[in-house]
Amino acid sequence: DIQMTQSPSSLSASVGDRVTITCRASQGISNLLAWYQQKPGKAPKLLIYRTSTLESGVPSRFSGSGSGTDYTLTISSLLPEDFATYYCQHFYTYPFTFGPGTKVDI
Amino acid sequence: EVQLVESGGGLVQPGRSLRLSCATSGFNFAGYAISWVRQAPGKGLECVGFIRSKAFGGTPEYAASVQGRFTISRDDSKSIAYLQMNSLKSQDTAVYYCNRVKWLADPTGLDYWGQGTLVTVAS
Repeated sequence: DIQMTQSPSSLSASVGDRVTITCRASQGISNLLAWYQQKPGKAPKLLIYRTSTLESGVPSRFSGSGSGTDYTLTISSLLPEDFATYYCQHFYTYPFTFGPGTKVDI
Repeated sequence: EVQLVESGGGLVQPGRSLRLSCATSGFNFAGYAISWVRQAPGKGLECVGFIRSKAFGGTPEYAASVQGRFTISRDDSKSIAYLQMNSLKSQDTAVYYCNRVKWLADPTGLDYWGQGTLVTVAS
């Protein structure tokens, strides 16, 4: 199985900050990476798929990049509603494992 | 509006069985793969399995942790997916989400999620 790691596991930020979260796969995943946002008590929400394609309705302050084994999610200017936990997930081969999550709080 | 609604969760004793349902509406269910993801209390997300659409064989895949115990099926005539869980263990305690798989030649994301249903395995 492909293992996914994320860093940092948590971070404290302020409104307006630029935030970058890193996701690393244990082998190359050919850009088949998605990012999700989850708020407490809610289901996750798809933000980005195929590394950098924004899901419909997702604000442009979210962006994704990367290749090979290393990928990043960037929030260009943090808004209050962005405080949440973020997960990456690969879609290279099943099981489509998730990263352990990055909690973004104040 | 795309909707997925899970049901069937609850408290069950170790070793027993439970069947979850995922009732969907607002999209062509037959044309999509459906996935199940679980989240143990206070923990991260774990893929349980998914089932392809009939166009891609209708076959399921499972995580190693549930292989041989869980079965995913679908009824395209009712737009419902099922997760049959047998030989339940305490480690299976989690919120179970069903999701629609975004498929662009290959699966690329889970674009719609249900609200989740809690399964608690305890004596």
